[in-house]
Amino acid sequence: AQSVTQLDSQVPVFEEAPVELRCNYSSSVSVYLFWYVQYPNQGLQLLLKYLSGSTLVKGINGFEAEFNKSQTSFHLRKPSVHISDTAEYFCAVTLYSSASKIIFGSGTRLSIRP
Amino acid sequence: GAVVSQHPSWVICKSGTSVKIECRSLDFQATTMFWYRQFPKQSLMLMATSNEGSKATYEQGVEKDKFLINHASLTLSTLTVTSAHPEDSSFYICSAHTSGGANQPQHFGDGTRLSIL
Repeated sequence: AQSVTQLDSQVPVFEEAPVELRCNYSSSVSVYLFWYVQYPNQGLQLLLKYLSGSTLVKGINGFEAEFNKSQTSFHLRKPSVHISDTAEYFCAVTLYSSASKIIFGSGTRLSIRP
Repeated sequence: GAVVSQHPSWVICKSGTSVKIECRSLDFQATTMFWYRQFPKQSLMLMATSNEGSKATYEQGVEKDKFLINHASLTLSTLTVTSAHPEDSSFYICSAHTSGGANQPQHFGDGTRLSIL
């Protein structure tokens, strides 16, 4: 079975500070990795994805994530956050099989302080 | 990019009524759509996988007679909460796959907040 763990339920940071949101996964088979963002009362928006190739992937809004196979991690980072980054962030995996369902982590609430 | 439209965005109704939520893929065809339920400050819980032209696949613990799913076309799936009660109040979100398999991200609707009085 597959699982996704987001260790931090809440991460408060000051504006313009760097941030890292942690994500670890467990799977006996190969997976695709995603980060989604959810703003209040909205659905989810894709930030970035790792399919193969370079382990450092860049996404929208200045976010990037690094896939580490040995540590089974896919941490999300941004060098300087903005107030508008306040949202819930979900790490997720899907199996290589087609049209597979997504397995979500429990989410991390990022709150930016001025 | 791919757009998924969900309607209504907010609905309030009396206990015992049935509520239909629509999920449309606006600029692509979706053979598979997913329905999720999200409780406050929690992650998304997959309720069912909706397949065009066939019966939906429900996750364990989800009542198929309570949550009716119809995927009559490649661009529309509906979720009907039958005889809704206050415990059904939640945020419901749909998503859709474009063709190409699991390496393609799902595209999410903006959700429907259901409040049963």
